[in-house]
Amino acid sequence: GDSVTQMEGPVTLSEEAFLTINCTYTATGYPSLFWYVQYPGEGLQLLLKATKADDKGSNKGFEATYRKETTSFHLEKGSVQVSDSAVYFCAQFYSGAGSYQLTFGKGTKLSVIP
Amino acid sequence: DGGITQSPKYLFRKEGQNVTLSCEQNLNHDAMYWYRQDPGQGLRLIYYSQIVNDFQKGDIAEGYSVSREKKESFPLTVTSAQKNPTAFYLCASKDSRGLERRNTEAFFGQGTRLTVV
Repeated sequence: GDSVTQMEGPVTLSEEAFLTINCTYTATGYPSLFWYVQYPGEGLQLLLKATKADDKGSNKGFEATYRKETTSFHLEKGSVQVSDSAVYFCAQFYSGAGSYQLTFGKGTKLSVIP
Repeated sequence: DGGITQSPKYLFRKEGQNVTLSCEQNLNHDAMYWYRQDPGQGLRLIYYSQIVNDFQKGDIAEGYSVSREKKESFPLTVTSAQKNPTAFYLCASKDSRGLERRNTEAFFGQGTRLTVV
């Protein structure tokens, strides 16, 4: 079935370092793509999204670009802060043949140290 | 305020018991989802429902059951047939009407942590 693959964690960075978390998807056609963030003991919150090829989602300094040619949606941030420490999930939503499935990657835990 | 509410936040179950996790939303969303989260496994889909009185199995439905009698509610029952039920359970809802279903994000509850004792 359709799946989302994101880089294995955990990732540990110093404050102000550059962040990249890779994500690739397998759904055919044009799924919508999302990045969610989860803080300890909580549910998931939407970080950003992109719904068509070449769209760039951005929020709180994070960015991700929908690349159809490489089926990727990598998350980037130029300068991370300690408050960015969380688990990040890449997700795809695909609707076809009457099915609307929302599929997540395994999550990447980010720790930012001062 | 609109949102999605899961209860209880913590739940303890004895071996052989069935337990029901509550999920309620007042966002007027048609689609609702249940996920299970284990360390290192990410989110795995248990069941989802696109409309009242209809639901489909996800990737790990064995040992679970759901109902969707009202648009606002999608309770999950963890039955005694589920061999390893200890996990964090997340409920989500999404607007899935028409062409906008591609553009809308899913909203999540705060989760229920189930522990077998």
